[in-house]
Amino acid sequence: EVQLVQSGAEVKKPGESLRISCKASGYSFATYWIGWVRQMPGKGLEWMGIIYPGDSDTRYSPSFQGQVTISADKSIRTAYLQWSSLKASDSAMYYCARTIRDRPSDGFDVWGQGTTVTVSS
Amino acid sequence: QSVLTQPPSVSAAPGQKVTISCSGSSSNIGNNFVSWYQQLPGTAPKLLLYDNNKRPSGIPDRFSGSKSGTSATLGITGLQTGDEADYYCGTWDSSLSTEGVFGGGTKLTVL
Repeated sequence: EVQLVQSGAEVKKPGESLRISCKASGYSFATYWIGWVRQMPGKGLEWMGIIYPGDSDTRYSPSFQGQVTISADKSIRTAYLQWSSLKASDSAMYYCARTIRDRPSDGFDVWGQGTTVTVSS
Repeated sequence: QSVLTQPPSVSAAPGQKVTISCSGSSSNIGNNFVSWYQQLPGTAPKLLLYDNNKRPSGIPDRFSGSKSGTSATLGITGLQTGDEADYYCGTWDSSLSTEGVFGGGTKLTVL
């Protein structure tokens, strides 16, 4: 079964760093793009960025460029989303998702269960 | 606001048909495939359609998609109460900064 399992909920203070993870199983991790999607409370989906684990080619939405870092470790089939200095406005649900094929422009056919990030002093 | 425009809400009675529109431009819908996602309350989004009108395995043929120019449409027939959810269109935008984009989402209410 193709699956993406995300790390658990996080509660952090403003200014702290954070890395959340997305572990893949059931398919060739290196040959599909993995994207990250933000959903703020009561709001819609926002495309943040995407990575090709095979060569770590990464694309970011201009809205998130410089605000987060997307990475992947092929050896443990895991993608990451990280922040160096969290803000309260980063509080949201974050989903990872796999592309249907090997193009970043493809839709997402498999989604993780989501990771809730709460940033509060 | 979102690059892709969807109506905030639509509603219809059980058994009826509903359509949800997604309007974009030549840099996104006009030159790229559209996907549609269903998000039931409290759950992760689920792929309903890809490549404008293809259904993944397990998605009933009550769900259909079409694209014309810079707009796409999701159609749902034989509405069921279980279809009550948020629906999002998504595609790629090939303007100055290539990136994925989603519509703002449409809340479907089955009356």
